[in-house]
Amino acid sequence: GAVVSQHPSWVICKSGTSVKIECRSLDFQATTMFWYRQFPKQSLMLMATSNEGSKATYEQGVEKDKFLINHASLTLSTLTVTSAHPEDSSFYICSARDPGETQYFGPGTRLLVL
Amino acid sequence: AQSVSQHNHHVILSEAASLELGCNYSYGGTVNLFWYVQYPGQHLQLLLKYFSGDPLVKGIKGFEAEFIKSKFSFNLRKPSVQWSDTAEYFCAAGNMLTFGGGTRLMVKP
Repeated sequence: GAVVSQHPSWVICKSGTSVKIECRSLDFQATTMFWYRQFPKQSLMLMATSNEGSKATYEQGVEKDKFLINHASLTLSTLTVTSAHPEDSSFYICSARDPGETQYFGPGTRLLVL
Repeated sequence: AQSVSQHNHHVILSEAASLELGCNYSYGGTVNLFWYVQYPGQHLQLLLKYFSGDPLVKGIKGFEAEFIKSKFSFNLRKPSVQWSDTAEYFCAAGNMLTFGGGTRLMVKP
């Protein structure tokens, strides 16, 4: 199957700093990528849809100024958690949709904000 | 609004037992249905998908699912589970992937 990578796989930062997470589709072009958040023992919750060359679409309740998304190319989307606080600690997962409408998921990034 | 529900939160089976995990959806548009699996410490992997055509879909690792439109269901099945099937299973629907709550399967050796 298609491969999606995320970097970094885990990050620890101080409260108030910003953290950038990269999501790459390695063997296909993805006009649409998605960012999810997964809390312990819970399912994935869609945060936003990232469209190449246009603004991201955020789900209700997700602060667009806090979670900045950039989809500058057909293989790369970035999520920046600005001014991170401990409550932002979570597991962030991206996915990329291939031309056949199937989403493939990255391995996730575990963020811990101290 | 679309929703996906998985009624079994935890399932414990012995090896060689048959598996059926329930998934029901409510969705007004084109029904794209998926089952993903997340093995311990690993990322989500696609097991199978249904877009149209034969409602009985065969996926990887011996899994299959049946789309029953009248019941709004897309249950996942496997005739004989193995210890290595221990994982969390997620049903999802739609282009934007609305996920069910997941089902944790534990297979006892």
